[in-house]
Amino acid sequence: LAKTTQPISMDSYEGQEVNITCSHNNIATNDYITWYQQFPSQGPRFIIQGYKTKVTNEVASLFIPADRKSSTLSLPRVSLSDTAVYYCLVGPPGAGSYQLTFGKGTKLSVIP
Amino acid sequence: KAGVTQTPRYLIKTRGQQVTLSCSPISGHRSVSWYQQTPGQGLQFLFEYFSETQRNKGNFPGRFSGRQFSNSRSEMNVSTLELGDSALYLCASSLAGDYYEQYFGPGTRLTVT
Repeated sequence: LAKTTQPISMDSYEGQEVNITCSHNNIATNDYITWYQQFPSQGPRFIIQGYKTKVTNEVASLFIPADRKSSTLSLPRVSLSDTAVYYCLVGPPGAGSYQLTFGKGTKLSVIP
Repeated sequence: KAGVTQTPRYLIKTRGQQVTLSCSPISGHRSVSWYQQTPGQGLQFLFEYFSETQRNKGNFPGRFSGRQFSNSRSEMNVSTLELGDSALYLCASSLAGDYYEQYFGPGTRLTVT
């Protein structure tokens, strides 16, 4: 999977919209961008995946500019339960589980 | 549909001992992968089993081993435990092994003293 860079930590107040940006300058043509969420002492959970423009589901939105060298995960109106570590991954859809690796991710702390 | 379950959730062992961790995948999933997660190294792939056969193996010493049974349940074993083996061990299952289609279990927190 391609190398990615994201902020180590972010703080936000409850009710605000949070945007976490991930840089992936070496993204390949057939790579997709995938975001995971992980709570303390829990396994990671798939949040959203996209290839270009914008993708939205019941949890988040993913914005991908035309050059695809970065992406932004947007969490609307966060609550305390959104406090977690968020990981950005870039790779082809056919990549196997053996290629999955997380770095430090972005630790989001939601403040009441 | 029940999720991935791992037992035990927490474990404390001493150096030199061995440990066996268990993972029950989602019904119908034939691929089970194991990962080690530590604050310093992040998430690292240990091995993947598919239909009882080890399909991929990460860069870990031979002290780490695993197996998969005919019902897709999987176990991993760590022999001669070292302090550095303290970590969260995660199991993930999927239909075919694609990384983004995996469902993770809650993990087993292993502490080696």
